[in-house]
Amino acid sequence: QQQVKQSPQSLIVQKGGIPIINCAYENTAFDYFPWYQQFPGKGPALLIAIRPDVSEKKEGRFTISFNKSAKQFSLHIMDSQPGDSATYFCATTGGGNKLTFGTGTQLKVEL
Amino acid sequence: DAGVIQSPRHEVTEMGQEVTLRCKPISGHNSLFWYRQTMMRGLELLIYFNNNVPIDDSGMPEDRFSAKMPNASFSTLKIQPSEPRDSAVYFCASSSGGRISGELFFGEGSRLTVL
Repeated sequence: QQQVKQSPQSLIVQKGGIPIINCAYENTAFDYFPWYQQFPGKGPALLIAIRPDVSEKKEGRFTISFNKSAKQFSLHIMDSQPGDSATYFCATTGGGNKLTFGTGTQLKVEL
Repeated sequence: DAGVIQSPRHEVTEMGQEVTLRCKPISGHNSLFWYRQTMMRGLELLIYFNNNVPIDDSGMPEDRFSAKMPNASFSTLKIQPSEPRDSAVYFCASSSGGRISGELFFGEGSRLTVL
């Protein structure tokens, strides 16, 4: 049973573009929505996170948009750079200590 | 801080052999997680510990897998006997606090290849 669905599977954008990655969740008990970034050969690392009491959160060039009624949240990367090329995972957790990850999006930012 | 330390980084073994993966969490963190990453299934939570006690092992694939945390600074994940379908990258992660904040600190992973 997939608790969080992530799309697209892969994404290629030009430098300066705004890639958008989407996630949809099923369980309304989820109350924390982090995004993780993973570079090849490394473990995932927390990028940005949001709680459902706000609709948007920005940290530098990264923005999470959250739609509680639709049970969806998305990651936007402003002015994307080649160094942003990585795999991005959304995740959810709620009512416990388990983090469930989406299937990941491979992002490539081309010059 | 040294971060989460995993060993070995790479392991190649033959089917039927025992494999032991090791993890040292960040000092002071009281939750430890073992994840498995494959192309087909993504990141799967295998088991997690809180204060050295296994809380949820529902993700452990089968009895061939076992995990221990004898103290706050060390955990092992053992596969016996190993099979080719166990080939994956195994990550250990740790976090602080009794209620997960969503921030897990991952190690660099142990890449296992079972021939």
